[in-house]
Amino acid sequence: QKEVEQNSGPLSVPEGAIASLNCTYSDRGSQSFFWYRQYSGKSPELIMSIYSNGDKEDGRFTAQLNKASQYVSLLIRDSQPSDSATYLCAVIPRSTLTFGKGTMLLVSP
Amino acid sequence: ETGVTQSPTHLIKTRGQQVTLRCSSQSGHNTVSWYQQALGQGPQFIFQYYREEENGRGNFPPRFSGLQFPNYSSELNVNALELDDSALYLCASSLAPLANTGELFFGEGSRLTVL
Repeated sequence: QKEVEQNSGPLSVPEGAIASLNCTYSDRGSQSFFWYRQYSGKSPELIMSIYSNGDKEDGRFTAQLNKASQYVSLLIRDSQPSDSATYLCAVIPRSTLTFGKGTMLLVSP
Repeated sequence: ETGVTQSPTHLIKTRGQQVTLRCSSQSGHNTVSWYQQALGQGPQFIFQYYREEENGRGNFPPRFSGLQFPNYSSELNVNALELDDSALYLCASSLAPLANTGELFFGEGSRLTVL
């Protein structure tokens, strides 16, 4: 079982819709969770971090964490074509930041 | 722009050769982590350096080695290159070791092709 699992996609949504990206992790002791965005040919950049159960909102982005279900999600409201990228879920299970494979999001105009 | 610079940006090597990749961390950051990202995969942790000492290592063989210098810049060395070493190598700096923060600032990477 991989430590961090994501559906590789692509996830296709029309402009203005809500994009929902999901991630599960295997280590119950994980305490820190992150979403990075990676545009094609570029390096990852941090967009959200979440540490406790519940929702955390930042502009059009909402991160959701459910530790009992070992599940993290990222919602993007009012999706824009500029949101088209690969979204990487990352977790600190011990002392290293472990990434999933990423989900490719395509937002069509 | 994260302030993290890597060199070279692209390079081609042949099997069995050795390669050195370089990274300058963001000002004020004392921790550097190296990741390998194969095509279509997420970044895989190689190792981390904190104040010039290796402070964590992923599942990579000993032919992957590194250094951190007093100015916190870093090198990644790979010996006896194999075809599977072809990947994007990402350097990331942070204010503290990964146990304390997952906020990494990545450079643009060095794309290595092994023929």
